Amino acid sequence: DQQVKQNSPSLSVQEGRISILNCDYTNSMFDYFLWYKKYPAEGPTFLISISSIKDKNEDGRFTVFLNKSAKHLSLHIVPSQPGDSAVYFCAARSRSARQLTFGSGTQLTVLP
Amino acid sequence: DTAVSQTPKYLVTQMGNDKSIKCEQNLGHDTMYWYKQDSKKFLKIMFSYNNKELIINETVPNRFSPKSPDKAHLNLHINSLELGDSAVYFCASSQIQGKAEAFFGQGTRLTVV
Repeated sequence: DQQVKQNSPSLSVQEGRISILNCDYTNSMFDYFLWYKKYPAEGPTFLISISSIKDKNEDGRFTVFLNKSAKHLSLHIVPSQPGDSAVYFCAARSRSARQLTFGSGTQLTVLP
Repeated sequence: DTAVSQTPKYLVTQMGNDKSIKCEQNLGHDTMYWYKQDSKKFLKIMFSYNNKELIINETVPNRFSPKSPDKAHLNLHINSLELGDSAVYFCASSQIQGKAEAFFGQGTRLTVV
């Protein structure tokens, strides 16, 4: 039962363009959402998060959008850089749970 | 200074052996976790633990057991290893209260042969 879904296993984008990574969730109890970035042979590193009381959070080149009615969130990276090439995981947590529930990840490749 | 460190990074062992993976965090967090990344690349929670409570994912075989000598350490013991245990195991830590972000170790790639 996948409560957090990332339906695109991979995405290729030209350097300088926008990267949009998508995530859907099914559990309406989730109230906090996070994006993690993972390079090969390393652990996931926290990138950006958003609370369910907001619909947008921005940090430099990274913006996360939350659409609660659609149970959908997205990560926008503008402009994309080759160093952004990594696997991006969407994660969510409910108030009652301690751990994060992760999606399956999207491999982003930014082409020079 | 590594915030969450786990050892070893690679572990190759035979079926039936017992092995341990160590994890330490220097962030002062009150909760630690073990996640398993399977062949389909999903990160699945195995355990979450603080000094008050251990929560076990019901799908985890009882051959897997977490051991916490103190608040900064959560080691993972695996008995009678099976081929299907081959995966990458990640330790993580966070604070229960406040922000939910968890900090991860570099992972341990376990290969059972």
